[in-house]
Amino acid sequence: AQRVTQPEKLLSVFKGAPVELKCNYSYSGSPELFWYVQYSRQRLQLLLRHISRESIKGFTADLNKGETSFHLKKPFAQEEDSAMYYCALETSGSRLTFGEGTQLTVNP
Amino acid sequence: GAVVSQHPSRVICKSGTSVKIECRSLDFQATTMFWYRQFPKKSLMLMATSNEGSKATYEQGVEKDKFLINHASLTLSTLTVTSAHPEDSSFYICSASRDGYEQYFGPGTRLTVT
Repeated sequence: AQRVTQPEKLLSVFKGAPVELKCNYSYSGSPELFWYVQYSRQRLQLLLRHISRESIKGFTADLNKGETSFHLKKPFAQEEDSAMYYCALETSGSRLTFGEGTQLTVNP
Repeated sequence: GAVVSQHPSRVICKSGTSVKIECRSLDFQATTMFWYRQFPKKSLMLMATSNEGSKATYEQGVEKDKFLINHASLTLSTLTVTSAHPEDSSFYICSASRDGYEQYFGPGTRLTVT
């Protein structure tokens, strides 16, 4: 069965510091991976997907099939990046399996 | 564009009663809608997938007779929690997809069963 693991429930960094949110997955098929973000009192929204290979709000994520990882990175964190981040794996029928999330706090 | 609404946002019901939650895609036609459940400080767990005009596909461990899902139109799906019990108290979130490429999430419904 598929599984998504986000080892850090909480992550705190200072403004301007680099940030990396870890995500590991297990899946027997060809993985399609996503990062979703939920800002305070807002709904879940897509941040980026690996197939797009794009940078959104300064965030990037590279799929490493050898390490089965899809870590989210940003070189210089901003206070407005404080949010809950979920890594998700898409399986058949566009079904998503979510990790437990990492609460990122960027301190001034 | 791609806004999904849920109604109600909060509902309290008595044990043994049924409660219906609506999920609507406001500005697009959703070929597929998904229902998730989120426990406090936990992740979203997919409950079922519904395609317009078809029976919903439930994930393993989800009781289809307890969580009735109807997707009667391309803009509306409903989740009915039948004979609700306190353990059904949770945050229920729907999402909608128009092309299978991206899911757009609703704001969620907080269900409390007393």
